[in-house]
Amino acid sequence: ELQLVQSRAEVKKPGESLKISCKASGFSPGYNFKSYWIAWVRQMPGKGLEWMGVISPGDSETKYSLSFQGQVTISADKSISTAYLEWGSLKASDTALYYCAALGLMVGDTPDYWGQGTLVTVSS
Amino acid sequence: DIQMTQSPSAMSASVGDRVTITCRASQDINIYLAWFQQKPGKVPKRLISAASSLQSGVPSRFSGSGSGTVFTLTISSLQPEDFATYYCLQHNSYPPIYTFGQGTKLEIK
Repeated sequence: ELQLVQSRAEVKKPGESLKISCKASGFSPGYNFKSYWIAWVRQMPGKGLEWMGVISPGDSETKYSLSFQGQVTISADKSISTAYLEWGSLKASDTALYYCAALGLMVGDTPDYWGQGTLVTVSS
Repeated sequence: DIQMTQSPSAMSASVGDRVTITCRASQDINIYLAWFQQKPGKVPKRLISAASSLQSGVPSRFSGSGSGTVFTLTISSLQPEDFATYYCLQHNSYPPIYTFGQGTKLEIK
């Protein structure tokens, strides 16, 4: 079964940059990293789930929710089946648990595979 | 982006109760509405997709209904393990810029 393993927790200062990762493995026969969209989901402390954006590793098509456009960068390296979420200048309000999730390429597919989450803490 | 409004934001109920959570979309999303359950410190788990399609292994006391803009999740007889936070997710958009509802925290009365 598809597994997503995320990078470890990070503690950063405001203004610093950060790139967290999500590595996929365990593909079923006939499937590979290019068979999925990879989404990033934010969960701020004690708050709900927020869909940040997605990337299609096959062609690097990337889309962002309006709230996150210009705030983060999503990328992927299909040669190592890894997606990334990156900040150029962190703010305290970026403190959150970030999940990656995989969904199929068909219209209406749901995020059925989730990483374990990466906790990002931004504090001076 | 499509907006999702979920209600109530919190509720308390007793074991054995029937519970209903509602999710409203800002535009027609056909049947593309999923429900997730999240317990503290755990990854969200999909219960239902396409409004009423139960994920394999999910107890039959969970059911979903609706189409267009109004959807419901019903738990027919609450069990102790059902106390959690529930989120709806519209999965209609393509490319998949989906939207979660704000969540419903279901607590023991």
